[in-house]
Amino acid sequence: RKEVEQDPGPFNVPEGATVAFNCTYSNSASQSFFWYRQDCRKEPKLLMSVYSSGNEDGRFTAQLNRASQYISLLIRDSKLSDSATYLCVVNMELTNDYKLSFGAGTTVTVRA
Amino acid sequence: DTAVSQTPKYLVTQMGNDKSIKCEQNLGHDTMYWYKQDSKKFLKIMFSYNNKELIINETVPNRFSPKSPDKAHLNLHINSLELGDSAVYFCASSQVPPLAPRDTGELFFGEGSRLTVL
Repeated sequence: RKEVEQDPGPFNVPEGATVAFNCTYSNSASQSFFWYRQDCRKEPKLLMSVYSSGNEDGRFTAQLNRASQYISLLIRDSKLSDSATYLCVVNMELTNDYKLSFGAGTTVTVRA
Repeated sequence: DTAVSQTPKYLVTQMGNDKSIKCEQNLGHDTMYWYKQDSKKFLKIMFSYNNKELIINETVPNRFSPKSPDKAHLNLHINSLELGDSAVYFCASSQVPPLAPRDTGELFFGEGSRLTVL
């Protein structure tokens, strides 16, 4: 089983729509969770951290469900500029170390 | 000024050749990384250095050799290139190593070096 799994999409949505997608992780000892954004042929950039209580950053809402081992990202009022691949990142606890594991990404395309 | 810069951006070469990719960060971070992103878009860590010392070495063929002359630089040398080495290689840096709980988890990536092996 992959350490971090995401629905690759693509999610094609009209401007103004709400889109949401999940990411599951395999290691129950995982400590920290993040969403990164990667534009086509660009480098990944941190979008937001995901906190246990859930958190919002403008039109973006992230949730964490530890019991079911998944995190989610919801984008409200989608803009054309939200078109990108969203990477789920999990900080996994190893024996004496920590390791960031990336999902393969969920592609979102917002159309006019 | 670019925070994490890597060169070259594009590299096309023949199987069997040896090539290097250079990376520099001006963020004052102690930790630098090499990641490989293949055609399926998975980002996999290859190496991590903290203040010039190797701290993460994933199962990477020993044809790949990182070198960190100082904490602001981490270069990647690849010997005897194979077709399967074709990918985008990203350099990254972060403030603390390896990323502990409650860290912001922010990695700062370079723009990537797209390697094509023919």
